[in-house]
Amino acid sequence: QVTLKESGPVLVKPTETLTLTCTVSGFSLSNARLGVTWIRQPPGKALEWLSHIFSNGEKSYRPSLKSRLTISKDTSKSQVVLTLTNLDPVDTATYFCARVRRGSGIDFWGQGMLVTVSS
Amino acid sequence: DIQMTQSPSSLSASVGDRVTITCRASQDINNYLAWFQQKPGKAPKSLIYGASNLQSGVPSKFSGSGSGTNFTLTISSLQPEDFATYYCQQYNNNPRTFGQGTKLEIK
Repeated sequence: QVTLKESGPVLVKPTETLTLTCTVSGFSLSNARLGVTWIRQPPGKALEWLSHIFSNGEKSYRPSLKSRLTISKDTSKSQVVLTLTNLDPVDTATYFCARVRRGSGIDFWGQGMLVTVSS
Repeated sequence: DIQMTQSPSSLSASVGDRVTITCRASQDINNYLAWFQQKPGKAPKSLIYGASNLQSGVPSKFSGSGSGTNFTLTISSLQPEDFATYYCQQYNNNPRTFGQGTKLEIK
């Protein structure tokens, strides 16, 4: 059974750094055909793709956030970590991680977690 | 970046109706087009990949079609559980981009 679960702080202050962890089960982060993506959704708004990482280390970032985002993985822990620096209240959103299959896109989603940026 | 434009932004329909949602890409995406369903307060659910292939476990009432830059999602025989917001996403190019969503409401 494939599962993904996001974890991290629910409240962060402006200018701080957000570190989110996606812990996966039911598949391996070393599988050549699989990767993990991060997507966020500000309250009442549409989905925004942020980043992804594949087993070979291939990474990609949302251009408007590229200078602030870092994605990494720890295959032995089955975890993918996303960091977002210099937070602003506009970064308040529900953050989702999801599994990506090469050629087929996203198939499984985590439940998401709401992160609020406020002083 | 590839822009994804969905229409309509909202749609009212009745139980039993058949509806179609359109997604247009700003350039050819080689059919690397996915559709998702999202209900309030929940994570999206993957419905379709490759423009027309159903994800495992998705009922055949959902169907996708199209190629190049123009794609459609059709839902037949609407049931109360189908009323939700639907998103398209292209995964041909980085950055991956979503449409703005189509909210399907009960008439």
